[in-house]
This record gives sequence, C-alpha cells and structure tokens, in this order.
Amino acid sequence: DGGITQSPKYLFRKEGQNVTLSCEQNLNHDAMYWYRQDPGQGLRLIYYSQIVNDFQKGDIAEGYSVSREKKESFPLTVTSAQKNPTAFYLCASSPPTTETQYFGPGTRLLVL
Amino acid sequence: GNSVTQMEGPVTLSEEAFLTINCTYTATGYPSLFWYVQYPGEGLQLLLKATKADDKGSNKGFEATYRKETTSFHLEKGSVQVSDSAVYFCALSEDPGAQKLVFGQGTRLTINP
Repeated sequence: DGGITQSPKYLFRKEGQNVTLSCEQNLNHDAMYWYRQDPGQGLRLIYYSQIVNDFQKGDIAEGYSVSREKKESFPLTVTSAQKNPTAFYLCASSPPTTETQYFGPGTRLLVL
Repeated sequence: GNSVTQMEGPVTLSEEAFLTINCTYTATGYPSLFWYVQYPGEGLQLLLKATKADDKGSNKGFEATYRKETTSFHLEKGSVQVSDSAVYFCALSEDPGAQKLVFGQGTRLTINP
C-alpha cells in the first residue's frame, strides 16, 4: 500500500540534544512538508521541499533543519536551538499539479 | 497575508443532529479551499475540497460550498454520527505554484450517542 510513514510515534528529547524525525513516502510525490501542531492550534509550516536537493523555510523554521537527498525521504531535525519543541509533528506530501496534501500519522515529541 | 478563521470549538452535538462548522478566509486571488479531518492521535485526512467559486465539495455525507461573495466555506452534514467525532480543519492554498496550505485553528467536534 502506498502511503506516508513517520517514525517514531513518540520521541523524547533531553535538554541540549538534537533529535531527528523520520518521514518516508512511497507515493512518488515530488513535494514534501513538515508541520508543527500545538494543542488547540492549527498547523504551522516548518519547512517544505518541492524537489530533491531543494527546500524552503516555512513560517517557523528557526531551531529546525531538514534535508532532501532522496525523493522518498524528508527527515526533520529538531535542534537544541528550538527552545519549545514539545508538539505533534506532521509530515505531508503532494503530487505535482495539485494542491492536495497527504499526511502521515505524526510524531509526538516530548522533552524530558 | 492569507488567513483562515474557523468557528471556535469545542462543538458538542447529539447523534443525528445537523452540523455546521463555519469557515471564512482572507486571500488574494482565487485559492482552492479544503476541509481536513483529524481523528485522535492520527494525521490529517482530506475530507473534501473545492477549487473555484460556487463549487461544492462533498464526501461521506459532508458538504461545503465555495462562496466567493462571503469568502466562506462552511462545512455541513445533515445527520452526524458518533464516528464523526474528530477535529476539523479548514485550509486554503496560498500559492498554487508553491503548493502551500494555510490552516485554520481547527474545531473539535464531539458527538454524543
């Protein structure tokens, strides 16, 4: 079955630590996205990539980094510079010539 | 900039009640409009969409009509079920070229049996 997978489901970060969230898709989509969701709030765009080896900052990129070395993969690193990382992180992808985005199941990041 | 405003939740209804969740938007140009649904602990699923004025999106008994004159895209369902309990997000496409979406804050819906 085609889809988007995110791992792990839950992730714990210690203070000062970088952590990486995985996002993989086998839908052959060109564009991929990372969103952050806080309780009672909508989704805010962190980074997006429309093609391999290229990505752009979204609205809240500070404290995060990404890479896009393969079409299928778009990992997100939450760095120690992100002072309030506790949130639900959602990855999405979309095919060309459509604005519809397809979402993974999410990763919940908690700070120890 | 572009923005989406949804009615504040939470919304609690009894089974078989009529549902309306209001959504209004501010945008330059002619964005596409979307409703996504999020069940507990899961990612978002596309519920329906409309790409131009007066279009009606529909799916699973839910409907929404793209109203350019009132800049609205209200979600409706004639008879809700317990299984419809979820968080609903209205969204618009900010820039078709960049394929970016702008989301409302979400409305939590609870249906009681």
